[in-house]
Amino acid sequence: TQLLEQSPQFLSIQEGENLTVYCNSSSVFSSLQWYRQEPGEGPVLLVTVVTGGEVKKLKRLTFQFGDARKDSSLHITAAQPGDTGLYLCAGWYSGAGSYQLTFGKGTKLSVIP
Amino acid sequence: NAGVTQTPKFRILKIGQSMTLQCAQDMNHNYMYWYRQDPGMGLKLIYYSVGAGITDKGEVPNGYNVSRSTTEDFPLRLELAAPSQTSVYFCASSMTGDMNTEAFFGQGTRLTVV
Repeated sequence: TQLLEQSPQFLSIQEGENLTVYCNSSSVFSSLQWYRQEPGEGPVLLVTVVTGGEVKKLKRLTFQFGDARKDSSLHITAAQPGDTGLYLCAGWYSGAGSYQLTFGKGTKLSVIP
Repeated sequence: NAGVTQTPKFRILKIGQSMTLQCAQDMNHNYMYWYRQDPGMGLKLIYYSVGAGITDKGEVPNGYNVSRSTTEDFPLRLELAAPSQTSVYFCASSMTGDMNTEAFFGQGTRLTVV
């Protein structure tokens, strides 16, 4: 199993602040994905990054894939209460002839109005 | 748009009982997965299937069984439930199994074993 380490595990910030969440591994991943999960719901895909050094923006969210394809970050600008949730990084890796999706433990974000 | 549907949403089992968690998808996806999510532990893969009639073990398969007789359905069977199986179970599906594919998740089944 290829491990994905996320930090911080918990983050509580005031509305309007900026934040960065990190996802690191000792292994190279073919791609990394970020999912967001709200209470009582399943994770929902936010973005997939494939190329080393790639940067993708989704409104106030900026995602970056490390040059060596071992790490990724999620930066949120001017956080809003609606950003509250569990953010999970996930990576596809090849195992037993097919790709499997493995998840980090997640970062639980609370944005206080 | 049903997507991935899981039933039941909640269940309490006594130690030693058995049950089947149901999962159905209407997106004609070949790949389906079962994960469990424990507090602070992310999602761990239990079993997955790359098509009807084909299943394989994930990271934490002990105590579980699966079958895939149709493209749409992927039930997860718990035999002899144990307290360690208390968790939230998520079923997911994807069109393919390659690195760019999006996994679609159900709403989860919260299982408590007492």
